[in-house]
Amino acid sequence: DAMVIQNPRYQVTQFGKPVTLSCSQTLNHNVMYWYQQKSSQAPKLLFHYYDKDFNNEADTPDNFQSRRPNTSFCFLDIRSPGLGDAAMYLCATSLPGTDTQYFGPGTRLTVL
Amino acid sequence: AQKVTQAQTEISVVEKEDVTLDCVYETRDTTYYLFWYKQPPSGELVFLIRRNSFDEQNEISGRYSWNFQKSTSSFNFTITASQVVDSAVYFCALSEAKGYSTLTFGKGTMLLVSP
Repeated sequence: DAMVIQNPRYQVTQFGKPVTLSCSQTLNHNVMYWYQQKSSQAPKLLFHYYDKDFNNEADTPDNFQSRRPNTSFCFLDIRSPGLGDAAMYLCATSLPGTDTQYFGPGTRLTVL
Repeated sequence: AQKVTQAQTEISVVEKEDVTLDCVYETRDTTYYLFWYKQPPSGELVFLIRRNSFDEQNEISGRYSWNFQKSTSSFNFTITASQVVDSAVYFCALSEAKGYSTLTFGKGTMLLVSP
């Protein structure tokens, strides 16, 4: 059974056209994370939520925003995608006290 | 600051060979977690193991084994009798184990297992 679900798996957008990626979880974990991963690189943390508390990484561009309307769902909004934003976007969840993160299958974003 | 080094960028082996992926870490914390994740070509990061800093026992799970040595700050991963399905990028990661912590990833090692 899928535990961390990301939709869509592949997303194509145009330069400057806003795009939203979604993540849902059936694990009821308190913490949700968004990562950006470019080719041949490690995942780079963009931000995370502990319940409703939002934590932005210092070097995450303002172009990236996130929403978490409830425990199960988290969204990544890219307000004006540039060519450099083409990447795999990974969502993960964890329970406090374990630090073990469980990842979704990712959304591969292409910017034309 | 925490740091994870995976010096091997890419390793190629032939099926049935044993292979060891190296991971060296740096941290000032006395309590921390170490992890290994597998990322196959499909892209999903798959959790393999978490090790607490107080537990230096080696772990074996099927063909996988992990060797944790605090004296050398290493947490190496060995695959015995490798298979083509083991081909993936493997990431070692570290966290502070303070309630909840973010992961510091190494740059990953790409393992190619050929028939």
